[in-house]
Amino acid sequence: SQTIHQWPATLVQPVGSPLSLECTVEGTSNPNLYWYRQAAGRGLQLLFYSVGIGQISSEVPQNLSASRPQDRQFILSSKKLLLSDSGFYLCAWSVSSGYTDTQYFGPGTRLTVL
Amino acid sequence: AQSVTQPDIHITVSEGASLELRCNYSYGATPYLFWYVQSPGQGLQLLLKYFSGDTLVQGIKGFEAEFKRSQSSFNLRKPSVHWSDAAEYFCAVGAWAGGFKTIFGAGTRLFVKA
Repeated sequence: SQTIHQWPATLVQPVGSPLSLECTVEGTSNPNLYWYRQAAGRGLQLLFYSVGIGQISSEVPQNLSASRPQDRQFILSSKKLLLSDSGFYLCAWSVSSGYTDTQYFGPGTRLTVL
Repeated sequence: AQSVTQPDIHITVSEGASLELRCNYSYGATPYLFWYVQSPGQGLQLLLKYFSGDTLVQGIKGFEAEFKRSQSSFNLRKPSVHWSDAAEYFCAVGAWAGGFKTIFGAGTRLFVKA
């Protein structure tokens, strides 16, 4: 069966520091991968998605970036964090079946920028 | 482009009472519809999905949803709510738009009274 991991689970970082969040998927090949952010009390905001190694699409311009160095690894980064980057970051994966796909989510990372 | 609306920001029901969470979508063709649940501090868990066929879909944890094309709705129901059902619920609609895109609603938070 497929599993998705995210780490760290919780992170507290000062403003201006760098960020690296990691997501890995097991049990499947060539998944679509997604990064979402949830601000407090809000819905999901799609940040990035990737359909393959080195293929990243950005949905929202910001000071975050994403990379996919391996098939089942997706990394969210920032060179300098802002206060507004605080939130709950969710990684998700899917495999397109030909006419649809279903996203499955990781446990999330709670990021607090002070 | 597709869109999804969850009219209720929060709902409170008594334990043992029935539940219905509303979801309305906008899409010109046959939509692919999902319900997810998120417990506090956790990732999203897929409850059920509708792709085609029987318009009444059964999911996990005793939930069901009914697709009504004439009303553009996909409401989530449960006949008897348990305290452990307290969580946030997200409706989502998927469609092909230069790749398969999934749009999430803003969520409905469910509170359960003892």
